Amino acid sequence: DTEVTQTPKHLVMGMTNKKSLKCEQHMGHRAMYWYKQKAKKPPELMFVYSYEKLSINESVPSRFSPECPNSSLLNLHLHALQPEDSALYLCASSLRGGGENTEAFFGQGTRLTVV
Amino acid sequence: GNSVTQMEGPVTLSEEAFLTINCTYTATGYPSLFWYVQYPGEGLQLLLKATKADDKGSNKGFEATYRKETTSFHLEKGSVQVSDSAVYFCALTTRGSQGNLIFGKGTKLSVKP
Repeated sequence: DTEVTQTPKHLVMGMTNKKSLKCEQHMGHRAMYWYKQKAKKPPELMFVYSYEKLSINESVPSRFSPECPNSSLLNLHLHALQPEDSALYLCASSLRGGGENTEAFFGQGTRLTVV
Repeated sequence: GNSVTQMEGPVTLSEEAFLTINCTYTATGYPSLFWYVQYPGEGLQLLLKATKADDKGSNKGFEATYRKETTSFHLEKGSVQVSDSAVYFCALTTRGSQGNLIFGKGTKLSVKP
């Protein structure tokens, strides 16, 4: 099983709303990632969790708040977003962060629209 | 810094044509190299990988060889199908990067029947 499951698939939210994106994997991977992908662009890294600890935050605005409750789950809490935050948000996991066997497996993404 | 350069698209081919998508990289140390594919409206799927020089990754008829001397990892397929229409991303990670993937800009492939 190489599946990373993301929910919801689509989300429309107002600029004053609070919502959360969820990601789950049961492959025993110890590194999990959030990427943001705008249309016709490659994914851009937002956060990396390694062994449930935040190890990389790519200068993401505080209106995005990641959380890793356990080794299988990754959340992204959203608050007071702007229309320019509309994008496809991708979760990924890998066996470990760094070294060999770092191929990442991606979920289907959450298509977020901020109105 | 680390970077990936891949040929700009879009690439349009007829079914059963030969495909090459060029990818070159700049990296400190010894990167692992990947090709990912993204079908419309979906996430990224790992297509193939190579972790050291002269390794050949292959999957579903696609191949790519890790060429350290030319810092390249070109994607090839001998006979494309309509179902191969997608965006293809070349990517790398390096030791110490905590698995952070550096992507090329992506190449959109359209295969006509």
